[in-house]
Amino acid sequence: GQNIDQPTEMTATEGAIVQINCTYQTSGFNGLFWYQQHAGEAPTFLSYNVLDGLEEKGRFSSFLSRSKGYSYLLLKELQMKDSASYLCAVPVWAAGNKLTFGGGTRVLVKP
Amino acid sequence: NAGVMQNPRHLVRRRGQEARLRCSPMKGHSHVYWYRQLPEEGLKFMVYLQKENIIDESGMPKERFSAEFPKEGPSILRIQQVVRGDSAAYFCASSPLTQGDGNTIYFGEGSWLTVV
Repeated sequence: GQNIDQPTEMTATEGAIVQINCTYQTSGFNGLFWYQQHAGEAPTFLSYNVLDGLEEKGRFSSFLSRSKGYSYLLLKELQMKDSASYLCAVPVWAAGNKLTFGGGTRVLVKP
Repeated sequence: NAGVMQNPRHLVRRRGQEARLRCSPMKGHSHVYWYRQLPEEGLKFMVYLQKENIIDESGMPKERFSAEFPKEGPSILRIQQVVRGDSAAYFCASSPLTQGDGNTIYFGEGSWLTVV
């Protein structure tokens, strides 16, 4: 089975940095996704990590430690439009691209 | 190149009616997944289909829910005799035949079902 945990909610100030943690337990590991979801909209792909380490894409970075079953999403230079839910998900490749999602972390950016 | 198309975007049904949600995958994608998102919750896997085959329906409620992906036409998620608890956003995702590098799972815009 698979289990994914992430905080429910975080608040940060515009221009600041926020780190969203995700811990997972899986019977087999095939990478980890981060998605952004604005209220009332579809999830949009942010990152996919399969190897340990940090991957940077502009203001967003994602880190993975397979030995610790841990990932984080780092959002820098926060903007108001970054207020959204951030979803951590792991795929089960043996079953196509079926994803197991965490409950999502709602980030509120304040001016 | 059109993305994953879902319709209707919003659907209102009275208790006991049927809801049909449609999903057309991206061109060239033969795998379709349906997810349900209850208010204030994460997405939960429901069913995985390929053309004319249900591969994994471990997330589907045992009663009232069914899904198909015919040889021609969109995938359909059907909910019979809807109840208030079925009110949720239903997302469809598609991916190509081969496993990609991770960014090959595409989500549709979702269908929001409200049961009154």
